[in-house]
Amino acid sequence: GAVVSQHPSRVICKSGTSVKIECRSLDFQATTMFWYRQFPKQSLMLMATSNEGSKATYEQGVEKDKFLINHASLTLSTLTVTSAHPEDSSFYICSAGSSLREQYFGPGTRLTVT
Amino acid sequence: DAKTTQPNSMESNEEEPVHLPCNHSTISGTDYIHWYRQLPSQGPEYVIHGLTSNVNNRMASLAIAEDRKSSTLILHRATLRDAAVYYCILRSYGGSQGNLIFGKGTKLSVKP
Repeated sequence: GAVVSQHPSRVICKSGTSVKIECRSLDFQATTMFWYRQFPKQSLMLMATSNEGSKATYEQGVEKDKFLINHASLTLSTLTVTSAHPEDSSFYICSAGSSLREQYFGPGTRLTVT
Repeated sequence: DAKTTQPNSMESNEEEPVHLPCNHSTISGTDYIHWYRQLPSQGPEYVIHGLTSNVNNRMASLAIAEDRKSSTLILHRATLRDAAVYYCILRSYGGSQGNLIFGKGTKLSVKP
């Protein structure tokens, strides 16, 4: 199947700093990518839909100024957590794929804010 | 998207078949039934999906009830690597852009 990569796989940052997470579709083009967040022992929660060449669509309760999404090409979407705080520590996962068939998920990025 | 109901957890012995149930009584005619699984500390991976007929692939089989209000994911011979959380998700044809709404899923434990 198709491959989606994420970088970095894990990152530790200090409170107040910003962290950028990359999501790449390696062997297919994706006009739309999705960003999810998963807290320990919980399910995945959709944060936002990343659209190539246009603004991202955020789910209710997700601060667009805190979680900046850029989808500059058909194979790359980035999520920047700005002014990170310990409560932003989580497992961030991206996905891409068609609307009818399967979604391909990245391996996830473990963010720890100290 | 319509809601699904799954048991919180199930146990299986290695090399035995596993039947993971999912109820979706409010499914609409255009909803596809998708299954994904998430191994510990990894992103979810696609397992199988279907609309009305039973489906088989190299990973699993999907048995769909005639009234489509329930389905069962079948792992024919569970291995230790099948220990994961399994999510049953309904996706509407022609609906949203592909994002998936995850429920709590079923945590499958496989005993050697």
